[in-house]
Amino acid sequence: ILNVEQSPQSLHVQEGDSTNFTCSFPSSNFYALHWYRWETAKSPEALFVMTLNGDEKKKGRISATLNTKEGYSYLYIKGSQPEDSATYLCASWGDNDMRFGAGTRLTVKP
Amino acid sequence: GAGVSQSPSNKVTEKGKDVELRCDPISGHTALYWYRQSLGQGLEFLIYFQGNSAPDKSGLPSDRFSAERTGGSVSTLTIQRTQQEDSAVYLCASRRGQLNSYEQYFGPGTRLTVT
Repeated sequence: ILNVEQSPQSLHVQEGDSTNFTCSFPSSNFYALHWYRWETAKSPEALFVMTLNGDEKKKGRISATLNTKEGYSYLYIKGSQPEDSATYLCASWGDNDMRFGAGTRLTVKP
Repeated sequence: GAGVSQSPSNKVTEKGKDVELRCDPISGHTALYWYRQSLGQGLEFLIYFQGNSAPDKSGLPSDRFSAERTGGSVSTLTIQRTQQEDSAVYLCASRRGQLNSYEQYFGPGTRLTVT
């Protein structure tokens, strides 16, 4: 069973602030790392899938990096907006098994 | 349909009753997953199907929970003798199931409330 951990559990920032949070995962038998954005009352929305060590992905103001050797990924949000408020989930895929972290709940105050 | 669908979207049931939740995956997706999120908790893995078989049932919280999948398509999650702690959003996701196909696509979820 994979143990995927995310930190912090929750985060409150002001509009315009940049922020980042962490996902750590077992580095053995790693296949892929996913980031999802989950707004209340909606289904999780895929942000990024990363497979290679050193991968960096970007979508608008959101970007992510991946270090498979040490087993962590960072998600960055530049210039946070209230509409960025959501739970950000990471999931690690390994050995035909995918496990989610508990998520980081981001609240952006106007 | 184009995406994963789940029904019902909301279910309120009395403690002790049985409920059945349904998931229709994306056509052609061989892998299907059930998760749940309880209030204040992270996403919790329940069960995974590859085709009609379930190689990983480790996440089912008790023997009141069961799931099946028929024809490699529709899946049902059944909760018998529901308890208040079963109240949660139950999410289904599907994946193509091919090598190097990692992306899961989620349904809108079923919000279960046990009174």
